[in-house]
Amino acid sequence: GAVVSQHPSRVICKSGTSVKIECRSLDFQATTMFWYRQFPKQSLMLMATSNEGSKATYEQGVEKDKFLINHASLTLSTLTVTSAHPEDSSFYICSARRSGNTIYFGEGSWLTVV
Amino acid sequence: SQELEQSPQSLIVQEGKNLTINCTSSKTLYGLYWYKQKYGEGLIFLMMLQKGGEEKSHEKITAKLDEKKQQSSLHITASQPSHAGIYLCGAGEGGGADGLTFGKGTHLIIQP
Repeated sequence: GAVVSQHPSRVICKSGTSVKIECRSLDFQATTMFWYRQFPKQSLMLMATSNEGSKATYEQGVEKDKFLINHASLTLSTLTVTSAHPEDSSFYICSARRSGNTIYFGEGSWLTVV
Repeated sequence: SQELEQSPQSLIVQEGKNLTINCTSSKTLYGLYWYKQKYGEGLIFLMMLQKGGEEKSHEKITAKLDEKKQQSSLHITASQPSHAGIYLCGAGEGGGADGLTFGKGTHLIIQP
């Protein structure tokens, strides 16, 4: 079964609004989680590293004020897309590192901004 | 930054045949991960390799990491329709706290 869960799997929001995506580790604690974005028929691009109890680390070119990341507990990280625009429409996916260095991914979240 | 090159980009194989997908890195690999994805869905963890020369198998899938830790291969024996999907290799920079860099993926189609 899944060890990392994302919610929602699909969301449609109006341009200018904000939307939150949750990533949960189901049976383990994750001090570090990762957020990726995947464009159609392309590979995954790392957006940021979510650190429990501290600020997220963003990859070059990713706007930290637009993609707010909060790692409130050892099992939950959230990605909030603020003031969403149609170009933010994409597939967002998170991952978490379990003990032994195995990295599991969530099911992903489709965001459509209309 | 690390770059991963996967080959082939796409592959059509007749059911029952064997196939190999390759992943080559521009730098030494500290951890090489193989995942399977159906487009628009989550990634399914297949295997992780860390040591030079390491080889792991699960069911009909075998993954190897070369001694120099710059190239990995994924081999599927007697392919089945359930093997169809996108195979991604991913690697970290080292240290265990980094997100993964992914190759562009190999799209595998199994023909009955």
